[in-house]
Amino acid sequence: GESVGLHLPTLSVQEGDNSIINCAYSNSASDYFIWYKQESGKGPQFIIDIRSNMDKRQGQRVTVLLNKTVKHLSLQIAATQPGDSAVYFCASRGNAGNMLTFGGGTRLMVKP
Amino acid sequence: GAVVSQHPSWVICKSGTSVKIECRSLDFQATTMFWYRQFPKQSLMLMATSNEGSKATYEQGVEKDKFLINHASLTLSTLTVTSAHPEDSSFYICSAIVGTSGSGEQFFGPGTRLTVL
Repeated sequence: GESVGLHLPTLSVQEGDNSIINCAYSNSASDYFIWYKQESGKGPQFIIDIRSNMDKRQGQRVTVLLNKTVKHLSLQIAATQPGDSAVYFCASRGNAGNMLTFGGGTRLMVKP
Repeated sequence: GAVVSQHPSWVICKSGTSVKIECRSLDFQATTMFWYRQFPKQSLMLMATSNEGSKATYEQGVEKDKFLINHASLTLSTLTVTSAHPEDSSFYICSAIVGTSGSGEQFFGPGTRLTVL
């Protein structure tokens, strides 16, 4: 399974800058990956997903990159805004079931 | 997207009492729902998989007699924390998979904050 952190690393960026949030996964059989945004006191909110047959997928202001060789996933947010401040989690799903395994999470703080 | 609700959004109870949390898929049917627990500044930890019409599947280390799960319909799963203690205080989040195949998109509820005094 994935490693789960006991404390959240924090990424602090200036408003308007680009943000890059990284995630490592351990299960090489994972075939589907999702990034979630979680604001304080709320449930996870879907941002973008990518399947293992792709290495890049773009959405509105967000891009997910997948490097299966090193089992690494990243989320890039362009022109980061104060509303992007939240905790971001990556999650992966194995090819044998529908359960998601969550990574440790990163807190993004956007300075105005 | 599909909507998943949880009730209550927060609850405070005394140690030793039981608390029931509901998870509903409002505009879709879900054969499979999941229950997660999240402690402060930590990630979501899967507790159990709730399957409509059958017994839940619990993750290792989760006491099935303490965390009772009932998935009696295609739109409702309940989690009952029995004989709650302060260490059970946490943020409980459910999610539901669209459809009956178990492989559809997964949507999360808003979470329930449980505080045990």
